[in-house]
Amino acid sequence: QKEVEQNSGPLSVPEGAIASLNCTYSDRVSQSFFWYRQYSGKSPELIMSIYSNGDKEDGRFTAQLNKASQYVSLLIRDSQPSDSATYLCAVTGGSGGSNYKLTFGKGTLLTVNP
Amino acid sequence: ETGVTQTPRHLVMGMTNKKSLKCEQHLGHNAMYWYKQSAKKPLELMFVYNFKEQTENNSVPSRFSPECPNSSHLFLHLHTLQPEDSALYLCASSLSTGLSYEQYFGPGTRLTVT
Repeated sequence: QKEVEQNSGPLSVPEGAIASLNCTYSDRVSQSFFWYRQYSGKSPELIMSIYSNGDKEDGRFTAQLNKASQYVSLLIRDSQPSDSATYLCAVTGGSGGSNYKLTFGKGTLLTVNP
Repeated sequence: ETGVTQTPRHLVMGMTNKKSLKCEQHLGHNAMYWYKQSAKKPLELMFVYNFKEQTENNSVPSRFSPECPNSSHLFLHLHTLQPEDSALYLCASSLSTGLSYEQYFGPGTRLTVT
């Protein structure tokens, strides 16, 4: 059973700070990693995807992947109150059949305080 | 219309009713998915279709019946549901099924079974 673990939070940061969201996964051969943002009562919105070790930057967002440690993170610079949401980590690949399926973590609730 | 749309957005039904959820994607994708999101649980994949063919049934009870007439439309037919089936039902699409294809979600249908 593939597992994706996230700290449920809530993670509370002041406006303008860096928010750091972490995710670990159990299947060592997982290959693709995604971060979704979900506002309360809304559907998940894809914000970042990362496929190889290292950092990937998109505006205020940076995804970091370390396959050796089975760890992926999302950094949000200059956090804004509008970033307050639940952030979902999702993983594909790995051993077993149907490895294209996304396995989601339970999500981390981020609160950015003005 | 752009992206992935779902109707209805809210649905209340009794346990003896029959209803259908509809999903339409305007992204030119070939794969479509149904997910269930319950409180405090990770997103659960229910069904996958690729080029109109069902490729995944994730041990979903038969009271949920999917239909995919073409690559742009996906339905979920509901009958004799249970109160524990109350959840947010999300449709998603991707270019195809594969390890690196990004999935995009519709707004969801909030289902309440009374």
